[in-house]
Amino acid sequence: DTGVSQNPRHKITKRGQNVTFRCDPISEHNRLYWYRQTLGQGPEFLTYFQNEAQLEKSRLLSDRFSAERPKGSFSTLEIQRTEQGDSAMYLCASSSKTRQANNEQFFGPGTRLTVL
Amino acid sequence: SQQGEEDPQALSIQEGENATMNCSYKTSINNLQWYRQNSGRGLVHLILIRSNEREKHSGRLRVTLDTSKKSSSLLITASRAADTASYFCATDWDTSGTYKYIFGTGTRLKVLA
Repeated sequence: DTGVSQNPRHKITKRGQNVTFRCDPISEHNRLYWYRQTLGQGPEFLTYFQNEAQLEKSRLLSDRFSAERPKGSFSTLEIQRTEQGDSAMYLCASSSKTRQANNEQFFGPGTRLTVL
Repeated sequence: SQQGEEDPQALSIQEGENATMNCSYKTSINNLQWYRQNSGRGLVHLILIRSNEREKHSGRLRVTLDTSKKSSSLLITASRAADTASYFCATDWDTSGTYKYIFGTGTRLKVLA
């Protein structure tokens, strides 16, 4: 499978715990995006990487959120001291610089986080 | 905040009928994409239309774009039960070269067999 993969697919945690999600983009894609989607809404942009550089962060990304892409391949999204309001689907997408004119983004299946 | 808004929010049709959903957005764009999302799953890319294009077809899908009205429509012809899903439009917003996409709120389509 050469698509975008995300792990875990589901995560249930207690309020106050830290969680970390992983995204493996399509191998030749240099751009990687994180989105958050709550029930009944469209995905909301969180952050963007080009290679290992984090070029933009949304105001939605509070201090408790941190994302990394250390080698320009996979990425992790960590949420510290989780709150019930963090419950959502976290989606990862990647795109290729060679398709810059289109920047078609390919999405992973998402990680569904439930904070109790 | 989300840039786009889809209309209607929900649509229920019989199998074989056509389904039309609309998207409005707020700022200038480079391109607009439509995505499908089945319940609780990731997004599947359907079609991309560039700002200098007015209409595009892909199989049973037809997308139009009117940049003067900042709106787009997605037409699904001869709908099938398998088309039941949420449909989102997403516009790129090149404010600083990030090419991030801003999604609308989605149209929930239900096709009845």
